[in-house]
Amino acid sequence: DTAVSQTPKYLVTQMGNDKSIKCEQNLGHDTMYWYKQDSKKFLKIMFSYNNKELIINETVPNRFSPKSPDKAHLNLHINSLELGDSAVYFCASSQALYTGELFFGEGSRLTVL
Amino acid sequence: AQRVTQPEKLLSVFKGAPVELKCNYSYSGSPELFWYVQYSRQRLQLLLRHISRESIKGFTADLNKGETSFHLKKPFAQEEDSAMYYCALSGGGTYKYIFGTGTRLKVLA
Repeated sequence: DTAVSQTPKYLVTQMGNDKSIKCEQNLGHDTMYWYKQDSKKFLKIMFSYNNKELIINETVPNRFSPKSPDKAHLNLHINSLELGDSAVYFCASSQALYTGELFFGEGSRLTVL
Repeated sequence: AQRVTQPEKLLSVFKGAPVELKCNYSYSGSPELFWYVQYSRQRLQLLLRHISRESIKGFTADLNKGETSFHLKKPFAQEEDSAMYYCALSGGGTYKYIFGTGTRLKVLA
């Protein structure tokens, strides 16, 4: 059983489009995250979602919006895609906010043309 | 402010040689430190955490509060150790879970 799963794994799209990446975890964790890994492999936290409370990293443009229909899902919606949004996006979860082991998904590679 | 520094972007060693991946941190409280590994085309996964004091795949890391370091060590590198290694810090509660910039380890035959 996959603990944290993301879809799609690969996404190629044009500038200006809107796209979504879905994430699901079956670990019963209370907290989920989105991280962005850029071309230099830097890993930066974008959002944390804990017990229906959204914590936004202040450097994330408001074109990015996380949506959590329930505790097991945290989707990432991106409006008006830009070239600089090309990256690998990782979903992760943990039992509690910013504590313990993070369990990562396989990543979704987004390429904006 | 919280910060995790991994000074080496790339570290190349020969098989059988000792390995040390450096990690320094800045944090005012008592942090929890981790090492994560990302093998080629795989997800990030936890390698070890300072509170467990384990040796995983021959790797160890000791938290040195005086030097604010959490270096990852292995006495004899193997080719399968080639991967991207990230040091991470968590302050728990309201403090973010942040990662260093990563070090790519290449173990040469």
